[in-house]
Amino acid sequence: QKEVEQNSGPLSVPEGAIASLNCTYSDRGSQSFFWYRQYSGKSPELIMFIYSNGDKEDGRFTAQLNKASQYVSLLIRDSQPSDSATYLCARDDKIIFGKGTRLHILP
Amino acid sequence: DVKVTQSSRYLVKRTGEKVFLECVQDMDHENMFWYRQDPGLGLRLIYFSYDVKMKEKGDIPEGYSVSREKKERFSLILESASTNQTSMYLCASSSIQRPLGGYTFGSGTRLTVV
Repeated sequence: QKEVEQNSGPLSVPEGAIASLNCTYSDRGSQSFFWYRQYSGKSPELIMFIYSNGDKEDGRFTAQLNKASQYVSLLIRDSQPSDSATYLCARDDKIIFGKGTRLHILP
Repeated sequence: DVKVTQSSRYLVKRTGEKVFLECVQDMDHENMFWYRQDPGLGLRLIYFSYDVKMKEKGDIPEGYSVSREKKERFSLILESASTNQTSMYLCASSSIQRPLGGYTFGSGTRLTVV
C-alpha cells in the first residue's frame, strides 16, 4: 500500500465553486502534512501545512486533518482559473509525496 | 527572497557521460534532497542529506551518487548517464526547526540523455 495516496484526477470544478482535494495515508504515526501546488513545467510551491486535527484556514484555502480516519484534505473556495494545477500532498516526517491530483477550473 | 538554485534549467548529455547537477540554498537549511519527477510516477526521492558530509539513500538511488561538502551545496552525480535517467530533477531543502516549514524547491533541471 502506498504511504500517501491521491486521486490523480483530473478534477474539474466550475469557476467560483469549492474545489475539494483529498489525500489518505497509511501510517498512523504521521504527524504533519503539507500541500504543494505545481503548475505545469514548474517546481512545487508550498501552500499550507497542518499538524493538528481539525481545520486550518489561509485565505481561500482550508486544510483539514483527520488523524483517526487518516486523511488530509484541501478546500479551495471561490476557485479561479489560476488555481488550475497539480496539487501534491506530502508527509513531513518521512518525506513522502503523493502523486498529485490535477485540478482544472472551468471558466 | 530565499532561494534554492539549480545550476542548469535544461541539460542534454550523451549516454555514458558523467553528469553533475548542482544545487545551492541560501536559507542555512540543514536538510537537502534530490528528487526526480516523471509523468505518472510523481516525485521520487533519490538521495537526501541531513548534514554536511552525510547522505542517505532514498527510494531510487541506483545509478546516482551525491556529495555534500558544504552546508549550502548538494550535488547529484550520474556516474554513467543512461537514457532511462532522462527526467526532471528537483532539488529541495528544509529546516529541522519544528514546526517544519516544508520544503523549498529549486526550479528544476530537465535532463535529456541521448
